[in-house]
Amino acid sequence: KNEVEQSPQNLTAQEGEFITINCSYSVGISALHWLQQHPGGGIVSLFMLSSGKKKHGRLIATINIQEKHSSLHITASHPRDSAVYICAVSGSQGNLIFGKGTKLSVKP
Amino acid sequence: DGGITQSPKYLFRKEGQNVTLSCEQNLNHDAMYWYRQDPGQGLRLIYYSQIVNDFQKGDIAEGYSVSREKKESFPLTVTSAQKNPTAFYLCASSMPSRAFYGYTFGSGTRLTVV
Repeated sequence: KNEVEQSPQNLTAQEGEFITINCSYSVGISALHWLQQHPGGGIVSLFMLSSGKKKHGRLIATINIQEKHSSLHITASHPRDSAVYICAVSGSQGNLIFGKGTKLSVKP
Repeated sequence: DGGITQSPKYLFRKEGQNVTLSCEQNLNHDAMYWYRQDPGQGLRLIYYSQIVNDFQKGDIAEGYSVSREKKESFPLTVTSAQKNPTAFYLCASSMPSRAFYGYTFGSGTRLTVV
């Protein structure tokens, strides 16, 4: 069993839809990260969470430490949101343990 | 602007050759990391370094080597001992003592063995 599990693996949405991507983890963490990877491969850090909720523009990330679960929400989705969204947790050595990613495609 | 520079973006290597991937940061981050990404897989840790002149093996270090002679630089050498080197390689840095700063990632190097 992977230490970080994401669902769904693939997601197709119509422009304007509300999107939720889920992440569950099985290890102790110091923080959870949501990352965005575009087709060119570069990765951008969206959020780092250790508790509660964060919001940036149309993106919202929440974490429930007791349930070891986090969600990434995108409101009013747009084709430019199409990317792979990756959940990662900070391990004891400071490195990240990654989920396999969720490929999001938003259709106009 | 501060950031991480990886070069080259695309790299082709003949079987049996060693190749070195460059990673440079000007963020004054202490820690640097190399990850490998294969299709359908999560990123996996190859090597990491928390201070200059020190580095540790990650989960898949076999066939790779690194050096950390300067804080800014953490090159990765893919040796001929790496059985399946074709992959996307990503460098990252962080400031562990100031964890709220999070991680910064490079744009990656796609290595293809021909």
